[in-house]
Amino acid sequence: GAGVSQSPSNKVTEKGKDVELRCDPISGHTALYWYRQSLGQGLEFLIYFQGNSAPDKSGLPSDRFSAERTGGSVSTLTIQRTQQEDSAVYLCASSLDGTGSTSQHFGDGTRLSIL
Amino acid sequence: QQQVKQSPQSLIVQKGGIPIINCAYENTAFDYFPWYQQFPGKGPALLIAIRPDVSEKKEGRFTISFNKSAKQFSLHIMDSQPGDSATYFCAASKGTYKYIFGTGTRLKVLA
Repeated sequence: GAGVSQSPSNKVTEKGKDVELRCDPISGHTALYWYRQSLGQGLEFLIYFQGNSAPDKSGLPSDRFSAERTGGSVSTLTIQRTQQEDSAVYLCASSLDGTGSTSQHFGDGTRLSIL
Repeated sequence: QQQVKQSPQSLIVQKGGIPIINCAYENTAFDYFPWYQQFPGKGPALLIAIRPDVSEKKEGRFTISFNKSAKQFSLHIMDSQPGDSATYFCAASKGTYKYIFGTGTRLKVLA
């Protein structure tokens, strides 16, 4: 596709359930990022994938969060045993490479609501 | 030292006015400073970016001013329009993938 695609666009689930969020980056982009945006807040870095290198997971807030990227393309962010504080917009971005000087292109995010 | 402080939190201007959004940083190793525009329900979109070797960059009605000695940079929107109403984020990086984002400025341009 032309841009970064995320699904679902909205997800409502009960506390304690697991959720999976999907990101399809721009074709040819080797770098992929996940961010979390809470209401009225900035963007909180979660995880970064670059090619076949080990991902940088330093931003994941707890061991309930995990992510994988299969075949260097599609990525899935999984949140286990969801808590109400996990409610936020989860944004995915991709860039041509992993240098800071290449711009990151964002999807429209998944709005996650935990009841 | 990794923070980027953005102000103001919100801003209201009349159509045609020149809103100014400011960001300040501490880490002198930062070498790339992008600005992003975000409309409700959409992801952030890159607006304009600057490197510390220039003091000003213009793209259309958007201008970044950069003050290396003060470790500050700002976004100016000339002849602002109601369609510019959005949230604006500054960011900084130091040649790596990790952007440090400001907390955002919600701009409203009145018709």
